[in-house]
Amino acid sequence: EDQVTQSPEALRLQEGESSSLNCSYTVSGLRGLFWYRQDPGKGPEFLFTLYSAGEEKEKERLKATLTKKESFLHITAPKPEDSATYLCAVNTNAGKSTFGDGTTLTVKP
Amino acid sequence: KAGVTQTPRYLIKTRGQQVTLSCSPISGHRSVSWYQQTPGQGLQFLFEYFSETQRNKGNFPGRFSGRQFSNSRSEMNVSTLELGDSALYLCASSLFAGGKETQYFGPGTRLLVL
Repeated sequence: EDQVTQSPEALRLQEGESSSLNCSYTVSGLRGLFWYRQDPGKGPEFLFTLYSAGEEKEKERLKATLTKKESFLHITAPKPEDSATYLCAVNTNAGKSTFGDGTTLTVKP
Repeated sequence: KAGVTQTPRYLIKTRGQQVTLSCSPISGHRSVSWYQQTPGQGLQFLFEYFSETQRNKGNFPGRFSGRQFSNSRSEMNVSTLELGDSALYLCASSLFAGGKETQYFGPGTRLLVL
């Protein structure tokens, strides 16, 4: 059975304090790993798709990396507006998607 | 470019009733996926449609069904509603280009079953 585990469940940072979120996965046949940001009451917002170990993607203060067992979302010098829940999902060759439970990030000014 | 739209945004039903939710994907996107999001179970995959065909299905009972029309718009139906069906139902449209996939979610339909 495909499994996705995100850690930590919650993360509180001071503005400017860089950190990383973790997404570990066990799947049979990874087609792609997705990162999303979700604000309360809204649908997830697409951030990145990663396909193979060693791949990296960047967008503003966010950088996502992928290994064969996990992915990291690095947040550099976060701002309060980066506060949200960050979701990781894997899509398999069978075409099914499995989401993690998310990491809720709070950035204090 | 317009995003993914879902209607209605909010819905209240009673147990035993049925409900139909609608999703209009981003223009040019042919893949539509449906998800259920609850505080206890998180985001769970319901099914995916591509070119009017159900391509994948999650582990939900047969009360949950869907379809996709020739214009890529999709509907999801839940029959014989149960209290546990109360959730945020999310639709996402995907674009596959150059071997890469991007997926965009709509705002969701919040369903409350009383």
